[in-house]
Amino acid sequence: NAGVMQNPRHLVRRRGQEARLRCSPMKGHSHVYWYRQLPEEGLKFMVYLQKENIIDESGMPKERFSAEFPKEGPSILRIQQVVRGDSAAYFCASAGQGPYEQYFGPGTRLTVT
Amino acid sequence: GENVEQHPSTLSVQEGDSAVIKCTYSDSASNYFPWYKQELGKRPQLIIDIRSNVGEKKDQRIAVTLNKTAKHFSLHITETQPEDSAVYFCAAIPGANNLFFGTGTRLTVIP
Repeated sequence: NAGVMQNPRHLVRRRGQEARLRCSPMKGHSHVYWYRQLPEEGLKFMVYLQKENIIDESGMPKERFSAEFPKEGPSILRIQQVVRGDSAAYFCASAGQGPYEQYFGPGTRLTVT
Repeated sequence: GENVEQHPSTLSVQEGDSAVIKCTYSDSASNYFPWYKQELGKRPQLIIDIRSNVGEKKDQRIAVTLNKTAKHFSLHITETQPEDSAVYFCAAIPGANNLFFGTGTRLTVIP
């Protein structure tokens, strides 16, 4: 049973470019959560999605950030016109029953140069 | 929203000793409290969790206790081993849609 998958594992973008981060939940899980982690800090919630629906995006900046979880394929976190402050590790987690027992992917480490 | 505070931020123990990490939460509606272990450069791993209808839960060398009245919960690791060295995060869910994490405790087990 494959765990939560994320790709790419490392992503380097120049300021102003777009970053696309992908997350495939664990088999049987339909709840996906995205978190951001800055170095030496905790995890901050960004967005919660179920298939084709955004349930809670209260932690996601309203500009430049968007997320989707289409009927087919992985969930995608998209950051447009990246800035240096976007450099962080982005983790997704999946769960089978709402917010409980979330299992994390390996993360995507985004570096903006 | 929920506010989760975690102490201490760093903890060093001798191998074989016990380690205790404490968290407090603010929202009395919180009903689920997981603990995650994160090794350097790795993903957070769920190591134990507790729901609000239970006061204590144990899994081998790891236990979690919950005091709903005081709104705090703790992680206890007994007979610590070097491989327990990591950053540990507590979290809470106040009946909302997502986890609110504490700021983490860096545990170092000295051989």
